[in-house]
Amino acid sequence: AQSVTQLDSQVPVFEEAPVELRCNYSSSVSVYLFWYVQYPNQGLQLLLKYLSGSTLVKGINGFEAEFNKSQTSFHLRKPSVHISDTAEYFCAVIRGNQGGKLIFGQGTELSVKP
Amino acid sequence: GAGVSQSPRYKVAKRGQDVALRCDPISGHVSLFWYQQALGQGPEFLTYFQNEAQLDKSGLPSDRFFAERPEGSVSTLKIQRTQQEDSAVYLCASSQTQGASGANVLTFGAGSRLTVL
Repeated sequence: AQSVTQLDSQVPVFEEAPVELRCNYSSSVSVYLFWYVQYPNQGLQLLLKYLSGSTLVKGINGFEAEFNKSQTSFHLRKPSVHISDTAEYFCAVIRGNQGGKLIFGQGTELSVKP
Repeated sequence: GAGVSQSPRYKVAKRGQDVALRCDPISGHVSLFWYQQALGQGPEFLTYFQNEAQLDKSGLPSDRFFAERPEGSVSTLKIQRTQQEDSAVYLCASSQTQGASGANVLTFGAGSRLTVL
């Protein structure tokens, strides 16, 4: 079985501060890793993905994430957040042989304050 | 279309009623997925179609849930005899690629919020 754990349910941060949203996964086979963002009353939007290659992945809106196989982590980072980054963030994995069957974490609510 | 379209956006049902939720995927997308997102939770997989074939329905919580995609495009998720625990946002997603590819990146719709009273 595989699971995704997002270690923080809520992360409050001031505007222009750096932020890290933590994600750990468990899987005995190779996985593909994703971060999605969900703004209020909207669908999920892909921020970035790790499929293979470089472990540092850059996504949209200035976000990046680093795949750490030994620690089974895929933490999301941004050096300087904006008010508009306030949203729910979901980490997700796919096992290598299960196509689009995403397994999501519980989500982290990022709240950026002025 | 430009994105994945879902309707209705909001649905209130009385316990015991049947509901039908519609998903219009991006034109030409082969794969279609349904997810259920309860309040404060991450989305959970319900079912997966490749064209008109339902290849995986392991996530459907009970036999009250039924999904179809008869012509390989529009899909309908039907819930019979709704219960309060069915209250959730139902998300539809589609993808260009087919088969068991890890690179199967999904585009999600805005969801249909179902409230069962």
